[in-house]
Amino acid sequence: KNQVEQSPQSLIILEGKNCTLQCNYTVSPFSNLRWYKQDTGRGPVSLTIMTFSENTKSNGRYTATLDADTKQSSLHITASQLSDSASYICVVSDRGSTLGRLYFGRGTQLTVWP
Amino acid sequence: EADIYQTPRYLVIGTGKKITLECSQTMGHDKMYWYQQDPGMELHLIHYSYGVNSTEKGDLSSESTVSRIRTEHFPLTLESARPSHTSQYLCASSHYRGDREETGELFFGEGSRLTVL
Repeated sequence: KNQVEQSPQSLIILEGKNCTLQCNYTVSPFSNLRWYKQDTGRGPVSLTIMTFSENTKSNGRYTATLDADTKQSSLHITASQLSDSASYICVVSDRGSTLGRLYFGRGTQLTVWP
Repeated sequence: EADIYQTPRYLVIGTGKKITLECSQTMGHDKMYWYQQDPGMELHLIHYSYGVNSTEKGDLSSESTVSRIRTEHFPLTLESARPSHTSQYLCASSHYRGDREETGELFFGEGSRLTVL
């Protein structure tokens, strides 16, 4: 069964600290993986996309990694800011069906305290 | 900022009422989606469309219906709302490449939070 598991479920850190969020998936055949940020009461916004051949990709203070062999991805946030408080959702796309489909994780709720 | 809009943002109604959640995008995207999201849970696809006059049911069974008469507009309707329909509804769109890979970025609206009393 295709699944996306995220950990931790929630995380509290102090402003300025770094953190790493994890995403494990069983989706096969794999097409790509996206990390989305969802602020409270808003729709998700894409942060980065990882394809099979990519190991790491940065977007400002966000760095995503992908290990396609172990089917794991991580999102590292450097020097956290209060505005980083949000839910971070891992979304994996397959290429098995005719038009592809998306599998969503439940998200990691990050809270950054001053 | 993505150019996709949902109205209303918040709606509180009584059981048995008919409601329509509006979704419009100005990006010319072919593919549009409706997702349902409950707190702490993953997004569940309830409807999607590849273009005008195309609508399909998603993975999560839903009593709602959708229509796609215009490319930019994808409204969702509940004929008779019940408390079990209370949820956050997210509309999204993406550019449909017409190939096997769903690689397009999803652009989400702000969401419509529905509460049925």
